[in-house]
Amino acid sequence: NAGVTQTPKFQVLKTGQSMTLQCAQDMNHNSMYWYRQDPGMGLRLIYYSASEGTTDKGEVPNGYNVSRLNKREFSLRLESAAPSQTSVYFCASTRPGGITEAFFGQGTRLTVV
Amino acid sequence: QQPVQSPQAVILREGEDAVINCSSSKALYSVHWYRQKHGEAPVFLMILLKGGEQKGHEKISASFNEKKQQSSLYLTASQLSYSGTYFCGTEIPDSWGKFQFGAGTQVVVTP
Repeated sequence: NAGVTQTPKFQVLKTGQSMTLQCAQDMNHNSMYWYRQDPGMGLRLIYYSASEGTTDKGEVPNGYNVSRLNKREFSLRLESAAPSQTSVYFCASTRPGGITEAFFGQGTRLTVV
Repeated sequence: QQPVQSPQAVILREGEDAVINCSSSKALYSVHWYRQKHGEAPVFLMILLKGGEQKGHEKISASFNEKKQQSSLYLTASQLSYSGTYFCGTEIPDSWGKFQFGAGTQVVVTP
């Protein structure tokens, strides 16, 4: 049982390049999330998806787009990367049925130069 | 809108106790606590629901005061394994499923 899997683990981009961060969960969870983690700022919600086919903005959505491809996969796209998007990105999911804990992927460390 | 955690950091010797606080400016539906080791993903510790419920995980317990819109995490008789960054995550009634996390409290337990 892999849980939440993120790819890639590390990435270096040049300013203006685009890329997609992939996330997949095999726990049959309904809700999925993308967070970014910066020093001293904790985890900030970028986008989340309550269920397949729905997405909603979080605290810091500017510069990002998401796709909930199916129940398992939730991708995060940077169309034109900027140095301010250098961060560690975490994907998370929660199971259905009310208030439950979030399961996190191992993170993607992204550097934009 | 992020919950506010205090202190930002704490250094303990093995066996000592510590309290981490998490407060929100909005009414809370639930509070979650997570611990993150350096270079790893956050790991769930416990959830507290409104009603002042207190829960425990090993010698780590927490309380939730709904009226004060705050939660506290208690590290009792700390162990080396307790080192890490602790985050509270809050969920407010009109934003179901949108967890917001505090900036974190770094805990270092020394021998």
